[in-house]
Amino acid sequence: IAGITQAPTSQILAAGRRMTLRCTQDMRHNAMYWYRQDLGLGLRLIHYSNTAGTTGKGEVPDGYSVSRANTDDFPLTLASAVPSQTSVYFCASSVRQGDNSPLHFGNGTRLTVT
Amino acid sequence: GQNIDQPTEMTATEGAIVQINCTYQTSGFNGLFWYQQHAGEAPTFLSYNVLDGLEEKGRFSSFLSRSKGYSYLLLKELQMKDSASYLCAVVDSNYQLIWGAGTKLIIKP
Repeated sequence: IAGITQAPTSQILAAGRRMTLRCTQDMRHNAMYWYRQDLGLGLRLIHYSNTAGTTGKGEVPDGYSVSRANTDDFPLTLASAVPSQTSVYFCASSVRQGDNSPLHFGNGTRLTVT
Repeated sequence: GQNIDQPTEMTATEGAIVQINCTYQTSGFNGLFWYQQHAGEAPTFLSYNVLDGLEEKGRFSSFLSRSKGYSYLLLKELQMKDSASYLCAVVDSNYQLIWGAGTKLIIKP
């Protein structure tokens, strides 16, 4: 079934530890995104990639890094986790950035930093 | 600054009609999306408006007025499964998506 797969589904992480959230899509979409969703706030963009080999910073990029080595994979890394990074993280993709193609979302990773 | 306003929560009765409003102030406008998000799940696409007027899709319709910076999502013949959060998102002049905080819709029997 075509779509986006995120892993892990949930994780409890000690502060200061490094963590990579995985995201893979099989729809051959050019654009991919990482969002965090916190109660009472809209989805906030962390990083994005318009095409393989390129990445850009979103609204809240500090403490996070991404890479886009190929079309399908877009991992998000927390170099040294802090409690304020406790959130639900969604990976998404679209055919391309900058048109009316809707976003397709993965099922999310619920991360708790203690 | 850029801002999307939606009511935090609404309650409606099964079988009724509900209108969820979204007002926006953004740097430019290149379209508006509505997404549905059930609790604990991912958002899923409902509708897209870029021109003024009403777009109908089954029980759901979405309306846009660009001059007023206003959109609404109309849900008819409400079903219990429509209990979810509804997210409004605007595409700004840089083709970035600006998201509202979402409206939690509670359906009562």
